[in-house]
Amino acid sequence: SQTIHQWPATLVQPVGSPLSLECTVEGTSNPNLYWYRQAAGRGLQLLFYSVGIGQISSEVPQNLSASRPQDRQFILSSKKLLLSDSGFYLCACSVGADTQYFGPGTRLTVL
Amino acid sequence: GQSLEQPSEVTAVEGAIVQINCTYQTSGFYGLSWYQQHDGGAPTFLSYNALDGLEETGRFSSFLSRSDSYGYLLLQELQMKDSASYFCAVSDMDSNYQLIWGAGTKLIIKP
Repeated sequence: SQTIHQWPATLVQPVGSPLSLECTVEGTSNPNLYWYRQAAGRGLQLLFYSVGIGQISSEVPQNLSASRPQDRQFILSSKKLLLSDSGFYLCACSVGADTQYFGPGTRLTVL
Repeated sequence: GQSLEQPSEVTAVEGAIVQINCTYQTSGFYGLSWYQQHDGGAPTFLSYNALDGLEETGRFSSFLSRSDSYGYLLLQELQMKDSASYFCAVSDMDSNYQLIWGAGTKLIIKP
């Protein structure tokens, strides 16, 4: 079964600083990969998804970007963080159309 | 457009049964999933329905009616550890089988 690793677990960053969150997947090949953001007490907002190396689709215009340099590596980045970028960032993977498996998440606070 | 509706909060008593409903509107419905998320944690997969009917997994069951665009999650013999948020999500063929997420239902269990 798949295992999704995310780090760090928590992060506090000043406004205007860069961001790099990494997600790696074990136990499967050629997965679909996703980055979600979740505000406190709210649902999941899909930010990016990828069906293969170098293939990134963005769901909402934003201050963030994503890259997939390897089959099982997905990176979320920002050049300059905004206060509104605070939230719980979740990486997920899927192989079929039915189930997504999530990493433990990174709680980002931008001050 | 695509949308899912589920109650924002449900309260039940320990040992009781509770049903969380989900209605959806999507153009390319493929299947309905349910996820559980405890406070501070990541969502975990509970169940998936692609066909009409009831799927049972231990104390949890999930039902789907494609003709009514409706499903529910049934939790029996409620335990305090079931206190969490529950999300329904639809796989949409017209969105590359991405999951379209509901806003979540917070389940509060009282002793």
